[in-house]
Amino acid sequence: AQSVTQLGSHVSVSEGALVLLRCNYSSSVPPYLFWYVQYPNQGLQLLLKYTTGATLVKGINGFEAEFKKSETSFHLTKPSAHMSDAAEYFCAVRGNSGYSTLTFGKGTMLLVSP
Amino acid sequence: EAQVTQNPRYLITVTGKKLTVTCSQNMNHEYMSWYRQDPGLGLRQIYYSMNVEVTDKGDVPEGYKVSRKEKRNFPLILESPSPNQTSLYFCASSSRVQPYNEQFFGPGTRLTVL
Repeated sequence: AQSVTQLGSHVSVSEGALVLLRCNYSSSVPPYLFWYVQYPNQGLQLLLKYTTGATLVKGINGFEAEFKKSETSFHLTKPSAHMSDAAEYFCAVRGNSGYSTLTFGKGTMLLVSP
Repeated sequence: EAQVTQNPRYLITVTGKKLTVTCSQNMNHEYMSWYRQDPGLGLRQIYYSMNVEVTDKGDVPEGYKVSRKEKRNFPLILESPSPNQTSLYFCASSSRVQPYNEQFFGPGTRLTVL
């Protein structure tokens, strides 16, 4: 079984401030981890993913995430928020088998103020 | 262009009137899945399919049916819709052979059941 916990349903930052969105997972097998973003009235778009190898993963739009096995975490960060980053962000986990399904967290809405 | 398409994009119906939401992908993906998205609950999996003629229940399958007669299509059927099925629905597909690959999402179908 696998699950994802995203701390904070809403996170507010000022433009230019650090963005930190938290994600903790549980998985009985080595996981693949994903962050998706959903802009208003749109579908989900992949931001970045961790499969194997380097634990610091860089994605689109300046976002990155670090896989920490000891902490079972995969937090998403961006050094400087932009107004266009306002969206809902979903962390997801999938086992490393082709028979594993993708399990999502409940999402974190990022609000960016001028 | 690689994509997942859903139809219709918007649908308003009445309780008990059978409906089908279609989903099609052109990436030759083995794995397809349906999710519903509700505020505060994130994405919850309804049904998934590992390949043609292979389907299984997700977390919230009650009131839904699916079929997978062709690799590219994965329709979602609501035999007798009820107001609690009012939601935003997403279809997604990915490679089962390469589970580290992302899931591609359709644009979503907003369903209202009166």
